[in-house]
Amino acid sequence: SFELTQPPSVSVSPGQTANITCSGEKLGDTYASWYQQKPGQSPLLVIYQDSRRPSGIPERFSGSNSGNTATLTISGTQTMDEADYYCQAWDSTTLYVFGPGTRVTVL
Amino acid sequence: EVQLVESGGGLVRPGMSLRLSCAASGFTFRSYEMNWVRQAPGKGLEWISKISGSGSSIYYADSVKGRFTISRDNAKQSLYLQMNNLRAEDTAVYYCAGERGVRRDFEFWGRGTLVTVSS
Repeated sequence: SFELTQPPSVSVSPGQTANITCSGEKLGDTYASWYQQKPGQSPLLVIYQDSRRPSGIPERFSGSNSGNTATLTISGTQTMDEADYYCQAWDSTTLYVFGPGTRVTVL
Repeated sequence: EVQLVESGGGLVRPGMSLRLSCAASGFTFRSYEMNWVRQAPGKGLEWISKISGSGSSIYYADSVKGRFTISRDNAKQSLYLQMNNLRAEDTAVYYCAGERGVRRDFEFWGRGTLVTVSS
């Protein structure tokens, strides 16, 4: 079955760039999406179709996807960006697959 | 403003049934494919079911196939999840999530409803 892997945690200093990776076999052949989830809240779509930002999502969030790896980049990270981030992709057998999530700590 | 409000969660014993509802507003409900996604306490997200805008196409994850049934009523702008033969591992927050067309991502989410299966 199709599986996605993410690093459990990423630490970043305020104002610096955070890169969160998501790996899966031939992930670049399908679209990747990214969700932000803060404690006690529901997930929020921050990137869809690899690199597109929904309305209202700050420009500091960007994405890319090629080969076996998709990457969510947060430029100029702010303390409000501290959250869990999940990647998600679609596979014809498993349908919707989520990565295990990455906790981003801003310190 | 897009709004999804789930209800129907609660504490049930193993083997029992529960029906979740999701009331939608602020968008053209029938134009959206709708999903249920769950999250066990302290764990990640798991997609469990999807229904097309017309209700004619339905999909399930293997973990719930044969036990859960998704349905929708476009006139009432509502989504449902009938859960039978519940197990302890079904304990989770259940979210309904909207999917636009064939984008294959979850554009917006409800706040979730907690289902606890315990004896």
